[in-house]
Amino acid sequence: DGGITQSPKYLFRKEGQNVTLSCEQNLNHDAMYWYRQDPGQGLRLIYYSQIVNDFQKGDIAEGYSVSREKKESFPLTVTSAQKNPTAFYLCASSITGGNLYEQYFGPGTRLTVT
Amino acid sequence: AQSVTQLGSHVSVSEGALVLLRCNYSSSVPPYLFWYVQYPNQGLQLLLKYTSAATLVKGINGFEAEFKKSETSFHLTKPSAHMSDAAEYFCAVISDTGRRALTFGSGTRLQVQP
Repeated sequence: DGGITQSPKYLFRKEGQNVTLSCEQNLNHDAMYWYRQDPGQGLRLIYYSQIVNDFQKGDIAEGYSVSREKKESFPLTVTSAQKNPTAFYLCASSITGGNLYEQYFGPGTRLTVT
Repeated sequence: AQSVTQLGSHVSVSEGALVLLRCNYSSSVPPYLFWYVQYPNQGLQLLLKYTSAATLVKGINGFEAEFKKSETSFHLTKPSAHMSDAAEYFCAVISDTGRRALTFGSGTRLQVQP
């Protein structure tokens, strides 16, 4: 079955440590996205990538970094510079072109930093 | 710039009653509009989408939404609520130009009372 995999589902880290969240898709989608979800704030875009080896900052990119070396993978690193990293992180993917911009979402990773 | 406003962070209905979740958008270009549903600790699932075809859009699980350009609205409705509809619902917008990533509203949590 095609879909998006995010691992792990729950992640715990100590303050000051970098942590990388995994996102893999086998939908053959060109575009991939990372969102952060906090209670009462909806989803906010962190980074997105329309094609391999290219990515753009979203609305809240500070303290985060990404890479897109393969079409299937779009890992997100939460660095120690992110002031408030505890949140639910969602990865998504979509095709590009045409009018089909719907995004498919992974199950999410809940990160807790103490 | 584009934005989405969801009126009412919490909506409570009785089982069998009409569900109405409100969404207003702001976009300088013709938008594509989406409704997603999220169950606790899960990713988002697409309910329906408007992509400039029919203004009344039918989605999964008996939900539908009507695009009203004059009111800049895309409200989500369901004639008869079911207990399984209890979840959080997000309206989102994407434009055909510029940044092709979703902008989400802050979400509406739907409670269904027996």
